[in-house]
Amino acid sequence: AQKITQTQPGMFVQEKEAVTLDCTYDTSDQSYGLFWYKQPSSGEMIFLIYQGSYDEQNATEGRYSLNFQKARKSANLVISASQLGDSAMYFCAMREAYNFNKFYFGSGTKLNVKP
Amino acid sequence: DTAVSQTPKYLVTQMGNDKSIKCEQNLGHDTMYWYKQDSKKFLKIMFSYNNKELIINETVPNRFSPKSPDKAHLNLHINSLELGDSAVYFCASSQTRQINQPQHFGDGTRLSIL
Repeated sequence: AQKITQTQPGMFVQEKEAVTLDCTYDTSDQSYGLFWYKQPSSGEMIFLIYQGSYDEQNATEGRYSLNFQKARKSANLVISASQLGDSAMYFCAMREAYNFNKFYFGSGTKLNVKP
Repeated sequence: DTAVSQTPKYLVTQMGNDKSIKCEQNLGHDTMYWYKQDSKKFLKIMFSYNNKELIINETVPNRFSPKSPDKAHLNLHINSLELGDSAVYFCASSQTRQINQPQHFGDGTRLSIL
């Protein structure tokens, strides 16, 4: 079974609107961490936001927030007030406590922000 | 102050050649990784080293050989390059046992096989 599933290969959003990128995960571990990365067309991988499995509050970092629904095993990234510079690939990833060294990545979502 | 640096950034070579990619991190992390990103942007883990010890070795042809001389360096040597090796190779590092710590990535090496 896939550890991380991103079901949206591509998304469009109008500039200044909010967009949600979906991520579901599969683990039997009680302790795990969820990460989102951004990969612009220039190619580098940029860490955006982290959510721990025991965190009671949804994580927020500037215009990025994480809609964490533990029972549904989903960790969706919400980008508010989209900007043209948000056009990029976005990857969801997970790290489990029982195997700290391995990160599982989803297949990514390509976000296009329209002017 | 680049945290994870890999060289070269671009590598264009012919089929059958041997090439190496170098990676260094100055974050004090104890674990380093090599990933391959194909044309569909899928990131595949290849290898991981923790304190110079190989801990992850996914199904990768044995033409690929990683080497970690110390915990700050992880190099990747590829023998007898094939067309299917064309991809972007990313080095990354992380700190073990700190679950909230993300991986830090290098800028990638774009390998093109002619």
